[in-house]
Amino acid sequence: AQSVSQHNHHVILSEAASLELGCNYSYGGTVNLFWYVQYPGQHLQLLLKYFSGDPLVKGIKGFEAEFIKSKFSFNLRKPSVQWSDTAEYFCAVTGTASKLTFGTGTRLQVTL
Amino acid sequence: SQTIHQWPATLVQPVGSPLSLECTVEGTSNPNLYWYRQAAGRGLQLLFYSVGIGQISSEVPQNLSASRPQDRQFILSSKKLLLSDSGFYLCAWSVRAGISHGYTFGSGTRLTVV
Repeated sequence: AQSVSQHNHHVILSEAASLELGCNYSYGGTVNLFWYVQYPGQHLQLLLKYFSGDPLVKGIKGFEAEFIKSKFSFNLRKPSVQWSDTAEYFCAVTGTASKLTFGTGTRLQVTL
Repeated sequence: SQTIHQWPATLVQPVGSPLSLECTVEGTSNPNLYWYRQAAGRGLQLLFYSVGIGQISSEVPQNLSASRPQDRQFILSSKKLLLSDSGFYLCAWSVRAGISHGYTFGSGTRLTVV
């Protein structure tokens, strides 16, 4: 069975600081990887996704993630966070049957 | 364009009462449909998914059930709510042929069982 681990549960950063949120997955086959974001009071939205090809994936709002197959990781990064990035971030993986398995989420709080 | 509607947005129900949450999708046909529950510190847990009318798969044993009476309608139900059923319930859909676009989520229902 596939699983996802997000080790950072709550991250507090000042504006302009760099961000890296960890995501590790467990699945023996070919995976598709996603990061979703949930801004306060809003729907879950797709931030970026990896299916194949270049392991460095660019998403919306300046976010990127790198798929490192040997480490089973798909960490999310942003060079300089903004107050508006305050949200909860979920890593997700799908293998068979197109079912997304989510991590427990990381709450990011960006202070001014 | 495709849209997903979920209601109600919030619900407070007493223990032992029934539950019915509805989700409908517009602008697409034959979607895969999903019910997730989001609990604090536990992320999103897949409860049910459906690949077609009347086809329901349950991911975890629980007090809830799901039904898909129409292609674009997905209902989450319970005959008798438990306190532990409290949480934030999300409906989602994806294209049948794959998930190249990921999932699209509804706005969620916050259920409080008292």
